[in-house]
Amino acid sequence: DAGVIQSPRHEVTEMGQEVTLRCKPISGHDYLFWYRQTMMRGLELLIYFNNNVPIDDSGMPEDRFSAKMPNASFSTLKIQPSEPRDSAVYFCASSPGLAYSYEQYFGPGTRLTVT
Amino acid sequence: GESVGLHLPTLSVQEGDNSIINCAYSNSASDYFIWYKQESGKGPQFIIDIRSNMDKRQGQRVTVLLNKTVKHLSLQIAATQPGDSAVYFCAVGSARQLTFGSGTQLTVLP
Repeated sequence: DAGVIQSPRHEVTEMGQEVTLRCKPISGHDYLFWYRQTMMRGLELLIYFNNNVPIDDSGMPEDRFSAKMPNASFSTLKIQPSEPRDSAVYFCASSPGLAYSYEQYFGPGTRLTVT
Repeated sequence: GESVGLHLPTLSVQEGDNSIINCAYSNSASDYFIWYKQESGKGPQFIIDIRSNMDKRQGQRVTVLLNKTVKHLSLQIAATQPGDSAVYFCAVGSARQLTFGSGTQLTVLP
C-alpha cells in the first residue's frame, strides 16, 4: 500500500487566496483525521470523519476552514480566505477502526506558507 | 478534555546508551496510549502502543510503561542509535481521538 497520500507537499500563497489541501487515505480505513502542526501549538486535531461523515469539527479554528469527504478515498481541507497565521504543516491521517487499536497512519504533510 | 505534557522538550544521549522519554496525561478515563516518532520533514510514525489494561509492552528495542495511578507514560529505547534522533510524541486516546503531547527532541551523540 502507498500509505496516506497528501497533495500538494508545499503550498505558498498570498493572504486572501483560497487554499485546498487534498488527502487520499489508506484503502479500507474507516477514519480520517486532519491535523495542523505548528511550533507554538504542536499537533492539533482539526476534524475527523468516520465512514465519510464528519464526527467532530470542534478543532476547526473558524469559519474560514472547511473539510469534506465526498467518498472513502478522498478528502479536502479548504481555507478561504487564507491568512498568514494559517501557515503550518497540515497532516492527514487515517485509521482502520480496529477495536483494540486507535493507531493512526499519517501522510507526509502539506507545508502551507501564507504571505 | 485531555491534556498531555512531556517532561523534557529535549534529550541528548550517547550512542549505545538507553533513552527514557516521559509523558504525563490528565484524564484517568483515557484507555489507549501510543508513541510516535517524527523525523524532520515527515509525518509521525508509529512506534508502539499500549492499552489501559496493561502496564508494560515491549517491541524491538522499545518498551512502553504505563502507570495509571500517577497518569504517567514512558518510552524506553535500548542501545540508542543515530537513526533514533527525532522528535518523539506521546498521544493519549479516548473514543478514537488522540491528544498529542508537545514532543521531545532526542539527539544521539556519537
